[in-house]
Order: sequence, then C-alpha cells, then structure tokens
Amino acid sequence: NAGVTQTPKFQVLKTGQSMTLQCAQDMNHEYMSWYRQDPGMGLRLIHYSVGAGITDQGEVPNGYNVSRSTTEDFPLRLLSAAPSQTSVYFCASSRNNIPGQGASSPLHFGNGTRLTVT
Amino acid sequence: AQSVTQLDSHVSVSEGTPVLLRCNYSSSYSPSLFWYVQHPNKGLQLLLKYTSAATLVKGINGFEAEFKKSETSFHLTKPSAHMSDAAEYFCVVTLYSGGGADGLTFGKGTHLIIQP
Repeated sequence: NAGVTQTPKFQVLKTGQSMTLQCAQDMNHEYMSWYRQDPGMGLRLIHYSVGAGITDQGEVPNGYNVSRSTTEDFPLRLLSAAPSQTSVYFCASSRNNIPGQGASSPLHFGNGTRLTVT
Repeated sequence: AQSVTQLDSHVSVSEGTPVLLRCNYSSSYSPSLFWYVQHPNKGLQLLLKYTSAATLVKGINGFEAEFKKSETSFHLTKPSAHMSDAAEYFCVVTLYSGGGADGLTFGKGTHLIIQP
C-alpha cells in the first residue's frame, strides 16, 4: 500500500526554470492538496482539489498551477521558479473534505519534495 | 476570526516524564480536530483525531488528547516521554467557516525536545 507518493525527493532549479512536482495516491481519495513548509511559518496551502476536474486556490497560489485530470494524480507546476519558492512541498490526500462543512477525514501526507531555487 | 493556536513553539522534557502540548481553537461550532507528528525529513503522520464521539481520544505511540469544549482546547499528552517522540507536532482544526481556504487550519507547530 503506497499511500501518497511524491517525486522527486530533491530538486535544484535555476531562477526562471519550470518544473512539475508529481503527486499520486492509490487510496481513491477525492480530496488532494499541496502545501509548502517554511521555517517558522508552518504549513501553507497552495492549491487543493475536492475531486477530478475541480481545483481551487489556497492561501499562497501565486506562481503555481495545478490540474486534476484523474482521481489519483495531482501535479503541481512551477511556471517560472523564483528563489522565494525554495521550500519543502508536501502533497496530501483524504477521503473527503468539503470546505465549510466543518468535518474532514484525516490527511495522508507524502514524504515531501525539497526544492531549492538558485 | 477563527483560529488555531499552539501555545508553545518549543517544549523540552526529560525522558520518562510527562508530555503536554497545548492547542486552543476559536470556533462557534464543534469542529473536527487532529494532531499530527512530523519526524525530520518526513511527511506528517496522523497521531489521533476527534470527531464528536468520546472527548478523550487515544492515539498511536501512547499519546492521547482531551477535547474540552468549554475551554476550546485539545491538548496532547503522553504519560512518559521516549527519545523517539522528539519531533514537530501540529494541531489541525476543521472549521465550519473561516480558517484556511479549504476549511482546514494548521497550528504553527510545537517542537518537542526530549532530554536524555
């Protein structure tokens, strides 16, 4: 049972380069999300999806794009990398989370992608 | 504004002594509450969850938490700390309104240090 798989584990980019962080889950979860974790700032939500074909912005979406063509996959695209995007990125999924309804299944996290932009 | 506050950014205890990590939330309704643990270079792992059943929730690795509606608190405890408990701990709340864009609000985290 793989759970949530993120690739790559590490990545170094030059300013202006683009790349895609991959996230896949094998639990048939409807809800998926991307967070970035920076020292002293906790986890901040970038984008999320409540099902295939549906995505929405989180708190820090600028510079990132997402798509959800299948239930299993939720890639995060950096369009033009900037040093401010140096961070650790986590993908998470849960059976359900409907914003505003006050109830959520627990999140399952990947092991993260450590990104450095020079 | 609705929020989650982890009252201590760092907690240091000796091995074998009790652990208390504090979490308070602000909400007009009874939310779902979670504690997660993050070991170095790993993702977050669920420790326990409260979803309006018993107010005392038992989790993995000997941790438990008590939901106190009157105090809007969900503190995490363990009777006897082990060296392997050294990690970052996050309190997460699902609110009916406010909070994060997806309804989930993360605390800033508490770094637990275990002294030998």
